Amino acid sequence: KQEVTQIPAALSVPEGENLVLNCSFTDSAIYNLQWFRQDPGKGLTSLLLIQSSQREQTSGRLNASLDKSSGRSTLYIAASQPGDSATYLCAVRRGNYGQNFVFGPGTRLSVLP
Amino acid sequence: EAGVAQSPRYKIIEKRQSVAFWCNPISGHATLYWYQQILGQGPKLLIQFQNNGVVDDSQLPKDRFSAERLKGVDSTLKIQPAKLEDSAVYLCASRKVGDTNEKLFFGSGTQLSVL
Repeated sequence: KQEVTQIPAALSVPEGENLVLNCSFTDSAIYNLQWFRQDPGKGLTSLLLIQSSQREQTSGRLNASLDKSSGRSTLYIAASQPGDSATYLCAVRRGNYGQNFVFGPGTRLSVLP
Repeated sequence: EAGVAQSPRYKIIEKRQSVAFWCNPISGHATLYWYQQILGQGPKLLIQFQNNGVVDDSQLPKDRFSAERLKGVDSTLKIQPAKLEDSAVYLCASRKVGDTNEKLFFGSGTQLSVL
């Protein structure tokens, strides 16, 4: 059974700092991995998706990496801003068809001005 | 394009009452998911539809939860009777089959409080 964990559970940083969020999964047989952002009282917004054959994906100030063999992914946020404050969740998908996404509990990020 | 629509936004009921949630996915998205998110946890899949057929309902408490997706578009999730532990946010998500991007799109959710 796939289990996804995220460390730390919460993180507070000053504005402008670079930071790394971690995601670990127990079963390396994944199809892809997605990072999501969730603002309070809102649904989830997809940030980056990494296919199992890829090592990283970049979008603006965000960079996500994937190491399947070690069961780890990291989300790197450069030059953090107060608007980045949210909960960040990762989710792994096992198969191409009929396999749902298993989510981690998330990391709650606060960027202080 | 319009996003995933959900209603109601909030619902407060007493235990043993029934409640229903509605979801309208993004047009053209064949796959629809219902997730339950308890405060402080990640979303947990309740049921997955492909068009109007059920793909995975292994984690749906079928003695009290039911869901349908008529005509492969809108979907409703029902709880009858509700228990205190059902207090959570119920999220609907959709995905376009065959999209190599394979991203999930979520609605804003329905926050359920069972008193």
